Amino acid sequence: LAKTTQPISMDSYEGQEVNITCSHNNIATNDYITWYQQFPSQGPRFIIQGYKTKVTNEVASLFIPADRKSSTLSLPRVSLSDTAVYYCLVGDSAGTALIFGKGTTLSVSS
Amino acid sequence: EPEVTQTPSHQVTQMGQEVILRCVPISNHLYFYWYRQILGQKVEFLVSFYNNEISEKSEIFDDQFSVERPDGSNFTLKIRSTKLEDSAMYFCASTLGGQTFGSGTRLTVV
Repeated sequence: LAKTTQPISMDSYEGQEVNITCSHNNIATNDYITWYQQFPSQGPRFIIQGYKTKVTNEVASLFIPADRKSSTLSLPRVSLSDTAVYYCLVGDSAGTALIFGKGTTLSVSS
Repeated sequence: EPEVTQTPSHQVTQMGQEVILRCVPISNHLYFYWYRQILGQKVEFLVSFYNNEISEKSEIFDDQFSVERPDGSNFTLKIRSTKLEDSAMYFCASTLGGQTFGSGTRLTVV
């Protein structure tokens, strides 16, 4: 499984756009890029998944350059409730075990 | 929105006892997983289950652990002879693509 590298922590203010970048230099051809969010004492929650270019849903956007060696999760207009740990994972989506790193702790202040 | 349901939400057990953690995956999902998260640490993969058998397991998942799908809906994790260091949040997940996690069982071994 490709290893990922992401910042340990980020700080933001309410209403700002937050971009969290993840490096995955050894991503394989079959790998998808998936982002999860975790609040304290809760299970990780799927945010978004992509393979290449840009994916957008009601929560976030995911930007993936052509070489796929990195990806950026974009959270528009964050609120206090977006304070959480965000994990970037890569793998074959068909049943692969998820190997979590330490993630990025996002702290949103008013 | 379909959910993965885990029971109990909190289990306290004495060291050396056996515990069974229960999960009801989303009904049309094919892959099932158990993860654990020791307080303050990252989420760790334990085991994946597909087509009524273990498809992958980590080095954590030793003879102390077993999984079972006793009927068409439940997926259980049994931990025999519990130790203090087994205290953690245990998450069940299921997937067709992106994994959906349950809210977890907090296991406390005293």
